[in-house]
Amino acid sequence: NAGVMQNPRHLVRRRGQEARLRCSPMKGHSHVYWYRQLPEEGLKFMVYLQKENIIDESGMPKERFSAEFPKEGPSILRIQQVVRGDSAAYFCASSPPNSINEQFFGPGTRLTVL
Amino acid sequence: LAKTTQPISMDSYEGQEVNITCSHNNIATNDYITWYQQFPSQGPRFIIQGYKTKVTNEVASLFIPADRKSSTLSLPRVSLSDTAVYYCLVGGGGNNRKLIWGLGTSLAVNP
Repeated sequence: NAGVMQNPRHLVRRRGQEARLRCSPMKGHSHVYWYRQLPEEGLKFMVYLQKENIIDESGMPKERFSAEFPKEGPSILRIQQVVRGDSAAYFCASSPPNSINEQFFGPGTRLTVL
Repeated sequence: LAKTTQPISMDSYEGQEVNITCSHNNIATNDYITWYQQFPSQGPRFIIQGYKTKVTNEVASLFIPADRKSSTLSLPRVSLSDTAVYYCLVGGGGNNRKLIWGLGTSLAVNP
């Protein structure tokens, strides 16, 4: 049973470009979470999704950021018109529906904005 | 909403027992308490979870007093490889889908 997969592992974008980060949850997990971690800082919750539904997006910046978890395929975190302050590690986690506290994390995508 | 507070950093030596306490004064009745470990450049890893009293597994113990307003993660006989950031997480019980993460405690284990 493969773990949570994220790709790309490293992503470089210039200011103003779009960044798309993908996350494939563990098999059987229907809940996905996205987190951002700035250099030398703690983990910050962004959004919690189930298939085709956003459950909690209280941690998402109001502009430029969006997330989806379609019925088929991976979850996508999309950042439009990236700025240097978006440079961070973005972690995805998944959990089964009855145990949202026990999350399994992917290796992260490290976004660098030039 | 519950808020979690934990020390920013701690220092220890190999072979010692390390106790990291997290405060969560506004914890809800159904909320669970969960701890994660994160090594540099890796995603966090689940360590232990509890609701009340004491929970022990092969990695750590979790002590939760009766009022549940705090919890203590206990790492027995730490080694250099236990150097990591430890996060306290509260929530997820019943219909509560809100999870409140602490800012993390950076534990340095010295030889």
